[in-house]
Amino acid sequence: NAGVTQTPKFQVLKTGQSMTLQCAQDMNHNSMYWYRQDPGMGLRLIYYSASEGTTDKGEVPNGYNVSRLNKREFSLRLESAAPSQTSVYFCASSLRGGRYRGNQPQHFGDGTRLSIL
Amino acid sequence: GESVGLHLPTLSVQEGDNSIINCAYSNSASDYFIWYKQESGKGPQFIIDIRSNMDKRQGQRVTVLLNKTVKHLSLQIAATQPGDSAVYFCAENHILTGGGNKLTFGTGTQLKVEL
Repeated sequence: NAGVTQTPKFQVLKTGQSMTLQCAQDMNHNSMYWYRQDPGMGLRLIYYSASEGTTDKGEVPNGYNVSRLNKREFSLRLESAAPSQTSVYFCASSLRGGRYRGNQPQHFGDGTRLSIL
Repeated sequence: GESVGLHLPTLSVQEGDNSIINCAYSNSASDYFIWYKQESGKGPQFIIDIRSNMDKRQGQRVTVLLNKTVKHLSLQIAATQPGDSAVYFCAENHILTGGGNKLTFGTGTQLKVEL
């Protein structure tokens, strides 16, 4: 049981390049999330998927797109990377969603460290 | 607006002492709170949670206290060990329109355990 797995762990891009960050969870969770973590700013929600087949914007969605490929996988895409998107990106999942409505903690992967030059 | 913040950015304690990490929140309607531990190079790790219908919850060596009157949350770690050195975040939970839940995080407190 690996929990939440993110790939790649590190990536360096040039401004204007595109890339997709991958996330998969094996806990049969309904909801999945993408956050970015910047120094002094905590974690901020980029996009989320409350259940398979749905996605919604979070606090800082500009410059990103997401795809909930199936119940296990939720990817984050940068279409044209900018230096301001240099950050550590975390994927998380929680049981909440679908038929389950109770409060549940989110479980995080170990992050993708992305640098854009 | 909504915010979750921490009182102390860095806390140094001696090994074996108890640690107390504090957190203030502003949304009085919040009904669920979580503490996370983040070690260098890792993602946030769930420690303990508490619902607003409780004022105390205990885990293994950790206790979370919730004071809704002053909108304050604390994490107590008993007999702090070197492995407890990390950044600790409190998070306030909101239910999203689409059905998921959103966490609003504070900026974190660095706990340093001195031998």
